[in-house]
Amino acid sequence: NAGVTQTPKFRILKIGQSMTLQCTQDMNHNYMYWYRQDPGMGLKLIYYSVGAGITDKGEVPNGYNVSRSTTEDFPLRLELAAPSQTSVYFCASSYQGSYEQYFGPGTRLTVT
Amino acid sequence: EDQVTQSPEALRLQEGESSSLNCSYTVSGLRGLFWYRQDPGKGPEFLFTLYSAGEEKEKERLKATLTKKESFLHITAPKPEDSATYLCAVWESFNKFYFGSGTKLNVKP
Repeated sequence: NAGVTQTPKFRILKIGQSMTLQCTQDMNHNYMYWYRQDPGMGLKLIYYSVGAGITDKGEVPNGYNVSRSTTEDFPLRLELAAPSQTSVYFCASSYQGSYEQYFGPGTRLTVT
Repeated sequence: EDQVTQSPEALRLQEGESSSLNCSYTVSGLRGLFWYRQDPGKGPEFLFTLYSAGEEKEKERLKATLTKKESFLHITAPKPEDSATYLCAVWESFNKFYFGSGTKLNVKP
């Protein structure tokens, strides 16, 4: 099993551009999550999903959108990128009813 | 207000020198407390889940304990390969999952 995979690993965006961060898991987990990690700060929950077609906001959802059309995939969309979205983004997944989350390797995004 | 506070921010130990990391939390209804290890440039790796005060979990040189307001990660006779950032997270409700900023542990040979 590959676990949780994320693409791309690195990306530089100009202010106002848009992009989609990809996340795929092969563990048949129902729950999936997106976090951002800023230097010296804890991870912040952006969005989460409890299954295909069901998503909801976390602590810091502004400027982001998600969709969940399959169990495996949970893409994160950034519209109109801003410098404040410069961060490392982690996708995670867990079994239904468990919060033992398995994380991907992260995407380092810079907005200039 | 920070829901999760970890201390110290950084800790340097000699190989074999045991110590403890602290995670204090202020959430009102704790449903679970989690410890993760994070190596540079990688995603967090799950270590332990604790659900109620008095609970303890062990894995190799690591032991996690939980009280009503804090958790400790005890590291016994650490080795250089234990060097990493250790993250604590608390689960209050489904969309309230809070991480601390971590303790960076450096174990010197």
